[in-house]
Amino acid sequence: EVQLVESGGGLVKPGGSLRLSCAASGFTVSSAWMSWVRQAPGKGLEWVGRIKPKTEGATTDYAAPVKGRFTISRDDSKNALFLQMDSLKTEDTAVYSCATEGYSYGYHSFHDWGQGTMVTVSS
Amino acid sequence: QSALTQPASVSGSPGQSITISCTGTSSDVGFYDYVSWYQHHPGKAPQLLIYGVTNRPSGVSDRFSGSKSGNTASLTISGLQAEDETDYYCSSYTSSSRVVFGGGTKLTVL
Repeated sequence: EVQLVESGGGLVKPGGSLRLSCAASGFTVSSAWMSWVRQAPGKGLEWVGRIKPKTEGATTDYAAPVKGRFTISRDDSKNALFLQMDSLKTEDTAVYSCATEGYSYGYHSFHDWGQGTMVTVSS
Repeated sequence: QSALTQPASVSGSPGQSITISCTGTSSDVGFYDYVSWYQHHPGKAPQLLIYGVTNRPSGVSDRFSGSKSGNTASLTISGLQAEDETDYYCSSYTSSSRVVFGGGTKLTVL
């Protein structure tokens, strides 16, 4: 059974940094497309970015609002995914969730999700 | 990349059918058959309802169905039940290799 558990959220000041983790079990993160998705309070779901499998060069893609500030990486030895968030803005306040992209059913669908971790950017 | 357009809210009575639209562009919804739909109870992980426009994952009720015409995808829920009352989101892969979600639709079962 696939399980994803996020951690690392908290309160940070504007301009600060935070690193989120996503511990995976039931599958190997290095073999899957892995994405981060966020939901700001009272708002809808927003795709943040992804990292592709090793076999596809482990390249990353990002949504425009976070490109150049956020970095997605992976530690295969820990079977974990990370989201390094720098130069944080108040509008980055959201629940951040990791999810497998297309792993179970293809078509870039998100079937397996974590419960999310809350990030609050405020002075 | 702008969010896909969904109605903010829809409503229906138990037993009825409702349809939620998801309008994008020729660079996302109209470009690929990579549209998905999610049911999201606040505080819980979203549940995948439909992938690849029309396909249901194992375990998802056949009361949920998807379709697409041009740049607009649709989710139809038939035989509406009280437990269907929650938020629904569409998503699409885009021609720039990103993913875009819709703004979400709140379903009320009257």
